[in-house]
Amino acid sequence: DTAVSQTPKYLVTQMGNDKSIKCEQNLGHDTMYWYKQDSKKFLKIMFSYNNKELIINETVPNRFSPKSPDKAHLNLHINSLELGDSAVYFCASSLAVSGPGSTDTQYFGPGTRLTVL
Amino acid sequence: LAKTTQPISMDSYEGQEVNITCSHNNIATNDYITWYQQFPSQGPRFIIQGYKTKVTNEVASLFIPADRKSSTLSLPRVSLSDTAVYYCLVGVRGGFKTIFGAGTRLFVKA
Repeated sequence: DTAVSQTPKYLVTQMGNDKSIKCEQNLGHDTMYWYKQDSKKFLKIMFSYNNKELIINETVPNRFSPKSPDKAHLNLHINSLELGDSAVYFCASSLAVSGPGSTDTQYFGPGTRLTVL
Repeated sequence: LAKTTQPISMDSYEGQEVNITCSHNNIATNDYITWYQQFPSQGPRFIIQGYKTKVTNEVASLFIPADRKSSTLSLPRVSLSDTAVYYCLVGVRGGFKTIFGAGTRLFVKA
């Protein structure tokens, strides 16, 4: 029944490694997002995909590469991990807005806590 | 995108009504006001959204004055479990780009 799921929940790795975080939503939404929440709890959008097409890339280093194989999945691959990448990464999804009365409420996953040593 | 300003933190006691005000002086005509709640170790959760006047649901009420330059989230009779961070967002529906500010940390005490 989980609407937006992420794996893994925790990820501990060494600097320089490459890792991936997976996200899946079963809500039938058209849009998916990746956010980063740092130690100061600021939540910043990184990427947004609409119907598998990248529509927002918020000045994120090239080491971060999102991939959307289909509308229900948005994965995040990170190359050459750095200490500053340590954070909680949230995936979210929303229904595409169409017409009055619609809403673009975002549904968030449980987050992936990434720790780079 | 309109910038929002909220108090950094607020304290309250169980059973009280809590009002959190958000300023958004540069709100545009097509912008909606949305509030999210985030508990520790969880992702944000939608609470309420509105455009003008008053919106109420089973969780909260949202008051928006005529000039729409601010909004107030009202939580009736808070409990300990309402301790969370509350974010005010302003933006166009379907704009895809969502800007979360620092939020307001609400501490509810027994």
